[in-house]
Amino acid sequence: NAGVTQTPKFQVLKTGQSMTLQCAQDMNHEYMSWYRQDPGMGLRLIHYSVGAGITDQGEVPNGYNVSRSTTEDFPLRLLSAAPSQTSVYFCASDSGRNTEAFFGQGTRLTVV
Amino acid sequence: AQSVTQPDIHITVSEGASLELRCNYSYGATPYLFWYVQSPGQGLQLLLKYFSGDTLVQGIKGFEAEFKRSQSSFNLRKPSVHWSDAAEYFCAVTGNTPLVFGKGTRLSVIA
Repeated sequence: NAGVTQTPKFQVLKTGQSMTLQCAQDMNHEYMSWYRQDPGMGLRLIHYSVGAGITDQGEVPNGYNVSRSTTEDFPLRLLSAAPSQTSVYFCASDSGRNTEAFFGQGTRLTVV
Repeated sequence: AQSVTQPDIHITVSEGASLELRCNYSYGATPYLFWYVQSPGQGLQLLLKYFSGDTLVQGIKGFEAEFKRSQSSFNLRKPSVHWSDAAEYFCAVTGNTPLVFGKGTRLSVIA
């Protein structure tokens, strides 16, 4: 039972490069979210989705795009990476707003 | 908008001592509250959750938390801390939106 799987675990990008962080869940959860974690800031919501084809912005959406073509996958795209996007990124899924969220192991991204 | 405040950035306790981590939330309706723990370099693990009913909830690893509506608090407690409890602890709240997290409390345990 894999749960929430994020890839890659580590990534170094140069400023201006683009990349996609992958997130997949095998629990048939409708809700998926992306957070970034920075020292002293906790986890801040980037984007979230309440079902296939439906996405919305969170607290810190600038510089990131998402799409949700299937229930299982929720990729996060950085179109032009900036040093300010250096962070640890977590993907989460849950089956409803009042249920437990399950988290992936995180992607540590460094933009130089 | 909902929010969570964890007033203590860093707490140090001796092994075997009791622990209380504070959490205050702001939410207009009935909140759903969580405590997560994150060990260094790891993801987040759910310790316990409060949805309704008994205001004292038990979690894993010997942790418990008490929901106090009048104080808008959901403090985490453990009667006797072990060295392996050293980690970062996050309180979170939700209603009809994704989880909103506090900034976390880092727990250090000394011998």
